[in-house]
Amino acid sequence: GDSVTQMEGPVTLSEEAFLTINCTYTATGYPSLFWYVQYPGEGLQLLLKATKADDKGSNKGFEATYRKETTSFHLEKGSVQVSDSAVYFCALTPNTGGFKTIFGAGTRLFVKA
Amino acid sequence: NAGVMQNPRHLVRRRGQEARLRCSPVKGHSHVYWYRQLPEEGLKFMVYLQKENIIDESGMPKERFSAEFPKEGPSILRIQQVVRGDSAAYFCASSPPGTGAGGNTIYFGEGSWLTVV
Repeated sequence: GDSVTQMEGPVTLSEEAFLTINCTYTATGYPSLFWYVQYPGEGLQLLLKATKADDKGSNKGFEATYRKETTSFHLEKGSVQVSDSAVYFCALTPNTGGFKTIFGAGTRLFVKA
Repeated sequence: NAGVMQNPRHLVRRRGQEARLRCSPVKGHSHVYWYRQLPEEGLKFMVYLQKENIIDESGMPKERFSAEFPKEGPSILRIQQVVRGDSAAYFCASSPPGTGAGGNTIYFGEGSWLTVV
């Protein structure tokens, strides 16, 4: 079945460091891909999305490119801030008529001042 | 979070009691989804409902759990005879009517944290 695999955390970085959180997926056809962020004690917020191959989603300095050939959707940010500390979830929805969003296990990010 | 309202935000129940979690979707949305997040884990799909219909409940435990989305009022996730293992965050999400296959963003509420003591 469809699945999402994320790099394990926690990831600890110093402020202004470069961030990469790896995400790969398994799905038939061309799913839509998402990154969600969850701050402590809060719900999920959509960070960015991409709906077809080679699309780049971006928001708040974060970017991810839909790579069909490597079935990947890695999240990147050039310079992280303490306020970026959160859990990041990669997710997909299949383009086969279903609405079930499938989530990765999440990657916790700590950013030190 | 685009207006999905969940309540209560925090709920404590003793083993054997019932828990009822409510979700009001974004105004005009007719699709509701429930997800469960166990501590330190990702979200797992439980059930997908449209008004008065359960479309996909493949993620719901077969016993003690039920969900509804009546014609009027919020969606309810009901857990009977709760056990410690039910302690989790339960998230509701919604999407508008007529959303086609894939690519559509679903909007999450802030979650209901259930603690069973």
